[in-house]
Amino acid sequence: NAGVTQTPKFRVLKTGQSMTLLCAQDMNHEYMYWYRQDPGMGLRLIHYSVGEGTTAKGEVPDGYNVSRLKKQNFLLGLESAAPSQTSVYFCASSRGQGVTGETQYFGPGTRLLVL
Amino acid sequence: SQKIEQNSEALNIQEGKTATLTCNYTNYSPAYLQWYRQDPGRGPVFLLLIRENEKEKRKERLKVTFDTTLKQSLFHITASQPADSATYLCARLEGTYKYIFGTGTRLKVLA
Repeated sequence: NAGVTQTPKFRVLKTGQSMTLLCAQDMNHEYMYWYRQDPGMGLRLIHYSVGEGTTAKGEVPDGYNVSRLKKQNFLLGLESAAPSQTSVYFCASSRGQGVTGETQYFGPGTRLLVL
Repeated sequence: SQKIEQNSEALNIQEGKTATLTCNYTNYSPAYLQWYRQDPGRGPVFLLLIRENEKEKRKERLKVTFDTTLKQSLFHITASQPADSATYLCARLEGTYKYIFGTGTRLKVLA
């Protein structure tokens, strides 16, 4: 199993450009998440999905859109990139929330630089 | 909203000693806390989960405690090794789906 994969690994954008980050998981997980990680800020939730066809806003959703057309894929879009979106983006997935407290499995990250 | 606080300063310890990392939370106690390890340039990896009604949880050289009175979880690595050097993250659940992560504490084990 590949687990959680992310593409691309690294990208440089100019202000105003758009791009899509792809996350794929092969564990048949229901829940998927997009985080950004900045120095001193920790991981912050951008958007999440609790199932195919559903998405919801997290802590810092502005400037981002997401789609979950297939259970195994979760796309993060930047319509008009800004320098403030320079960050490392992590995708994660989990089986689904339950009283046991689900483990999140993270991808390797995408490093994005917006000039 | 709930907060998770971890010491942002790096912790340096000598090989063979026990490393202790702290995670403090605000407001009501979470049903459980999770601990993750993150190496440079990589995504976090789950290590341990401890529930509110568990005082202590162990996994090999790792031990986690949960003190609801102090609103604190401690993460211990015994007989630490240079390979244990990494950033360790604490996380709690807010609501039904959202995880709140601390900023992490960087541990460096000196040979």
